[in-house]
Amino acid sequence: AQTVTQSQPEMSVQEAETVTLSCTYDTSESDYYLFWYKQPPSRQMILVIRQEAYKQQNATENRFSVNFQKAAKSFSLKISDSQLGDAAMYFCAYRSLLMDSNYQLIWGAGTKLIIKP
Amino acid sequence: EPEVTQTPSHQVTQMGQEVILRCVPISNHLYFYWYRQILGQKVEFLVSFYNNEISEKSEIFDDQFSVERPDGSNFTLKIRSTKLEDSAMYFCASRSRGSNTEAFFGQGTRLTVV
Repeated sequence: AQTVTQSQPEMSVQEAETVTLSCTYDTSESDYYLFWYKQPPSRQMILVIRQEAYKQQNATENRFSVNFQKAAKSFSLKISDSQLGDAAMYFCAYRSLLMDSNYQLIWGAGTKLIIKP
Repeated sequence: EPEVTQTPSHQVTQMGQEVILRCVPISNHLYFYWYRQILGQKVEFLVSFYNNEISEKSEIFDDQFSVERPDGSNFTLKIRSTKLEDSAMYFCASRSRGSNTEAFFGQGTRLTVV
């Protein structure tokens, strides 16, 4: 069974600086998706970025980028130029491409990101 | 932009009461999910629903839980006799056909059992 591990319960960063959130996962599958979701205090789950495992190029969305190391099973999220609105819980999630998985998401425990003004 | 809508946003119920959480998925989506998140804990998969039947459920999804898609638009989660430990945020999600499509989440329903 797949697992997702986020080893940093909490991280803090000064506004305008860069922060990296770590995520590792375990799977025997060769193709899958990885996601980062943001959960602000409103508790809505917002997709930040996704990475297809078959793509070598790291995904980027504006100030958000990932460092995907498939061999190491590592999927970290880098937030550049941190803004106060980035303060939230960040969850890393895995999704199999196998149909019998029903494409459910498997979640990490989350990292609380604090932005210091 | 289409979105998944959940109602109510917050529900308070007495222990032992039945509660129904409602979700309106995105209209052309085919796969539907319920997840729950107990405060301070990770998000947990409850159930997936496809082609008008449950396709997978977790150990959490016991006989107290049921799901239905009564009218082709709403997707409901019923908890028959709520317990204190059912207090959590419940998220509905939906996705369209294909292994490469992502799930869209509703804003969640906060369930408080007292």
